[in-house]
Amino acid sequence: KAGVTQTPRYLIKTRGQQVTLSCSPISGHRSVSWYQQTPGQGLQFLFEYFSETQRNKGNFPGRFSGRQFSNSRSEMNVSTLELGDSALYLCASSLSGPGANVLTFGAGSRLTVL
Amino acid sequence: SQQGEEDPQALSIQEGENATMNCSYKTSINNLQWYRQNSGRGLVHLILIRSNEREKHSGRLRVTLDTSKKSSSLLITASRAADTASYFCATETGANSKLTFGKGITLSVRP
Repeated sequence: KAGVTQTPRYLIKTRGQQVTLSCSPISGHRSVSWYQQTPGQGLQFLFEYFSETQRNKGNFPGRFSGRQFSNSRSEMNVSTLELGDSALYLCASSLSGPGANVLTFGAGSRLTVL
Repeated sequence: SQQGEEDPQALSIQEGENATMNCSYKTSINNLQWYRQNSGRGLVHLILIRSNEREKHSGRLRVTLDTSKKSSSLLITASRAADTASYFCATETGANSKLTFGKGITLSVRP
């Protein structure tokens, strides 16, 4: 079956702009999680959506937002971009059974903010 | 601060040797998982150990969990150059099954 698909794979933006990243989960997976990965901070949890509802949230400012559609596809948006937002953004999906939340990751969207 | 902290941060070994990586965490967990990431790619799930388990095997991987010490170890036996990657431990907590990752361990296996 198809894996987790993230688009775009690479993008360059300038400070102050906004960006939208897309994630298509594995068919049948209802949970989608987003992580930000940087060399200094490692993998930081952004948020998780399950059945169109935000179920978990990390400690990121309100400029970071997301949503999930009825087909489980998810988008995340970052507004008013800052240089520090340059990172690899990883999306992961799971069946999210309790006590066995195993994630399947996409290849990531690498965002560079100039 | 991170829920999971891996140790060491970097490890370099010769092909054929065993690699041991450790993870410590702070709060009670549902389970602990290990993932691998090859350079610039997404993470791949390796193994999951539940909070009521003490040891688990999968091929050349062996994971132990000590809930009294809030720590886990990942052992890769007979390492290969292809094992060169970053390894992350992740802890699942709470009723909402939140997964939190450590900063990772960089493993280099020299041919």
